[in-house]
Amino acid sequence: ELKVEQNPLFLSMQEGKNYTIYCNYSTTSDRLYWYRQDPGKSLESLFVLLSNGAVKQEGRLMASLDTKARLSTLHITAAVHDLSATYFCAVDPQGGSEKLVFGKGTKLTVNP
Amino acid sequence: NAGVMQNPRHLVRRRGQEARLRCSPMKGHSHVYWYRQLPEEGLKFMVYLQKENIIDESGMPKERFSAEFPKEGPSILRIQQVVRGDSAAYFCASSPVATHLTGNTIYFGEGSWLTVV
Repeated sequence: ELKVEQNPLFLSMQEGKNYTIYCNYSTTSDRLYWYRQDPGKSLESLFVLLSNGAVKQEGRLMASLDTKARLSTLHITAAVHDLSATYFCAVDPQGGSEKLVFGKGTKLTVNP
Repeated sequence: NAGVMQNPRHLVRRRGQEARLRCSPMKGHSHVYWYRQLPEEGLKFMVYLQKENIIDESGMPKERFSAEFPKEGPSILRIQQVVRGDSAAYFCASSPVATHLTGNTIYFGEGSWLTVV
């Protein structure tokens, strides 16, 4: 059974600082998805990583995938308050995104 | 271009009642997925449907839960005889084709929050 583990689960950081969220998964997959969720809201797709070594960047967020290590990272650069949300990584053991297995999420709070 | 529409957004039911959650996929999407999110947890897959077909229901509880996606109208997730443990957010998502063919993600609706009292 595929397991997806994120750490940390809670992250409080100051504006302007950098930090990395880690996502480990237990079985082979060459696709990984990152989502953002604001309280009481739906999931917003941030990144789709489709191959080993994939790196994608959007604004202050950068995601990477190492399929050999079964690890993805979401790096936050110079955090701002608007980045406060819960971030999920997800993997589909079948290679698509129909049957995603989600991590428990990392609740990020960026303090002024 | 409307996104995935779910209703009701919030639903309160007493134990033993039935809950019906509706999902209209994005225009042009014929694949629908239901996920459940318990408090402080990630989403868990429940069921994958195409029009008039259940493709994968491996995440559905064996009793009281059912889902359909008829030829006309929205997809419906039905929970009979609700219990407190059914309190959760239920998210619907859709895609135009099977995503393992495209590498694209699925698109989530805003969720239906069910509270059982």
